[in-house]
Formats: sequence, C-alpha cells, structure tokens
Amino acid sequence: GAVVSQHPSRVICKSGTSVKIECRSLDFQATTMFWYRQFPKQSLMLMATSNEGSKATYEQGVEKDKFLINHASLTLSTLTVTSAHPEDSSFYICSATGTRATGELFFGEGSRLTVL
Amino acid sequence: GDSVTQMEGPVTLSEEAFLTINCTYTATGYPSLFWYVQYPGEGLQLLLKATKADDKGSNKGFEATYRKETTSFHLEKGSVQVSDSAVYFCALSDSGGGADGLTFGKGTHLIIQP
Repeated sequence: GAVVSQHPSRVICKSGTSVKIECRSLDFQATTMFWYRQFPKQSLMLMATSNEGSKATYEQGVEKDKFLINHASLTLSTLTVTSAHPEDSSFYICSATGTRATGELFFGEGSRLTVL
Repeated sequence: GDSVTQMEGPVTLSEEAFLTINCTYTATGYPSLFWYVQYPGEGLQLLLKATKADDKGSNKGFEATYRKETTSFHLEKGSVQVSDSAVYFCALSDSGGGADGLTFGKGTHLIIQP
C-alpha cells in the first residue's frame, strides 16, 4: 500500500515552545491530508482537514492559531503546535488521500508529543 | 453527531483462540464502516471495510459484517496468532471513502499469548 511517513515519532519540548510535525506521502500525491489527535484511552479525534494549496478546515473546538497546518505541496503537510503547554501532550496522527483511485486513507506512524 | 463505540482492552487471548471485538456506531444516513489495525511502531492500516448493509469485509482471516439493524460491525477471527497482536480501531465515514475524514472508536489493544 501507499506510504505516509511522519516525523518525528517522539518529541519532548518545554512549555511555551513550538513544535513542528511533518507528514509526507512518499509514493503518491496527497491532495487531502487529515490531522488527528488521540488522548490516552480516547478516540482518535479529527482536528483538521487540509487540501493542497488551501487553508485548513478545523473541527469545532480546535484552535487554528495554536495548531498551524500547512499543506504547501502534494507530498507534505506540517502541523505546528505553537506555545505548547502540557495539556497539548498527545499522540498526533496524520493521514492522506489522493491520487490512489480507491480513495482510501493512508496513515502515518504517529507522533508522540510530550510537553514538560 | 457520529460516534463509534468499541470494547475496551486490553483483550488477552491464547494463540488459536476465537476473537471477537465488538463495535457499534451511531450515524446519520448510511455510513461506510472500517476496521484499521496498528501494529507496534507502525501507522494505521486498513484491515477491512464494508460500504452497505449486510456487506461482509474480510482480510487476513478477519471478518466483519455490516449490520444495520443492530448498528454493529463486530470484528471476528476464528484462530488468532501472536502476530495479530496490535491495536484495532473501528471507524466510520459518511463520505464512503474517508474523503471527509473518519470517526474512530477508542481502539482495542489485542494481546495474543503463545
């Protein structure tokens, strides 16, 4: 199947700093990328949907100024957690769909963010 | 809004045991239903799916049948292996293929012991 790669897989940062997570589609053009967040023992929650070259669409309750999403190319989307706080500690997963005819979603490995 | 409820884990079974992971959903209209699997250190992978009532999705010995009357999509396997140890997510999509994103359950951690 198609490959979506996320980086970094784990990141620890100090409160107040910003952290960038990358999501790359390695062998297909991702016209749409999704960012999910999972708190411990909770569901994966959709945070935002981004289409290449457009502004991301955020789900209700997700602060767009805090979670900056950029989808500038068909193979890369980034999520930047700005001024991170301990409550932002979570597991972030991206997924992508695009030129594959099935419309299937392909997921990255996830990024574990810990804010101290 | 849409929601997915699946049994919480961890679920621990012996090799060759029969597996059932329950999943029920709430949705408007006629969603597509999915099971995803996440092996340690890897991303989620689509395991199987069903797009309409009474459809049965199957893959790698796993099966799930879309039951509209009970709004369920339970995952089953007749004889599990140690390599099946992973986290399993039930999910639904109103857009058929996930183009609008998916609604996930909390995931069920499955542990298979030799």
